Amino acid sequence: KNQVEQSPQSLIILEGKNCTLQCNYTVSPFSNLRWYKQDTGRGPVSLTIMTFSENTKSNGRYTATLDADTKQSSLHITASQLSDSASYICVVSARDTGRRALTFGSGTRLQVQP
Amino acid sequence: NAGVTQTPKFQVLKTGQSMTLQCAQDMNHNSMYWYRQDPGMGLRLIYYSASEGTTDKGEVPNGYNVSRLNKREFSLRLESAAPSQTSVYFCASSDTGTAGNTIYFGEGSWLTVV
Repeated sequence: KNQVEQSPQSLIILEGKNCTLQCNYTVSPFSNLRWYKQDTGRGPVSLTIMTFSENTKSNGRYTATLDADTKQSSLHITASQLSDSASYICVVSARDTGRRALTFGSGTRLQVQP
Repeated sequence: NAGVTQTPKFQVLKTGQSMTLQCAQDMNHNSMYWYRQDPGMGLRLIYYSASEGTTDKGEVPNGYNVSRLNKREFSLRLESAAPSQTSVYFCASSDTGTAGNTIYFGEGSWLTVV
C-alpha cells in the first residue's frame, strides 16, 4: 500500500530560525513529489514539485530535496517568519495510475513564535 | 484570479439530510477533484473527473455522488448525510491529470453532521 509519512507531527521554532521537515514514502512506481503549505482554515497551496531526476528545488526561502533511492524528501525553511506558521503536506504521485495517483501525508504543523 | 471557488464555506446538517457542495474553477482545467480532510489523516480522494462528462470513484466514494456540470463546475452531493461525513471538503483542479501538473485547491467547506 502506498504510504507517505511525515515527521515531526508538529514543530515550534522562533522567528528567524531555520527548520527542516521530513517526508518518507513507499509510493511506487514513483512519478513526482510535491510539498504544499496549508494555512489554518485555508486550502493547500503548492510550494514545489520534483520529479525523479530532480534532487533539489527552491521557492524563495523554501528548499525541497529528494533522494529517490532512499525514498526520502525534506523541506528546509530558512529564516522563518511568522507567516510560515502552517501545516506542510508532502504529496507523492505514482506513475501511470491516473486519478488514484496522489498519496497525501498527514502534514507537519509548524508554529513560528516571535 | 478566483482560481477554485467552493460554496458553502460552512454547513451544519442533521443526519439524513441532503446537500450539495458546489465547486467552480476559472483556469480552464480539464481535471477536477473532490477530497476530504480529517484530523490526523492525509487528504483522501472522493471522486475525480478527468474531463467534462466523465467521473470516477476515488478512495472513499461511499455516500457521495458527483456531477461534472460543464468544464468549470464539479459538484459533490450527500444524499443522506451521516455523522461520519463530518469533515472538511476540498475541491481541486489541474490541467490534465496529476502527472507533474500543479493541483489548485479551493478554500474548503466545513461540514458538520449532527
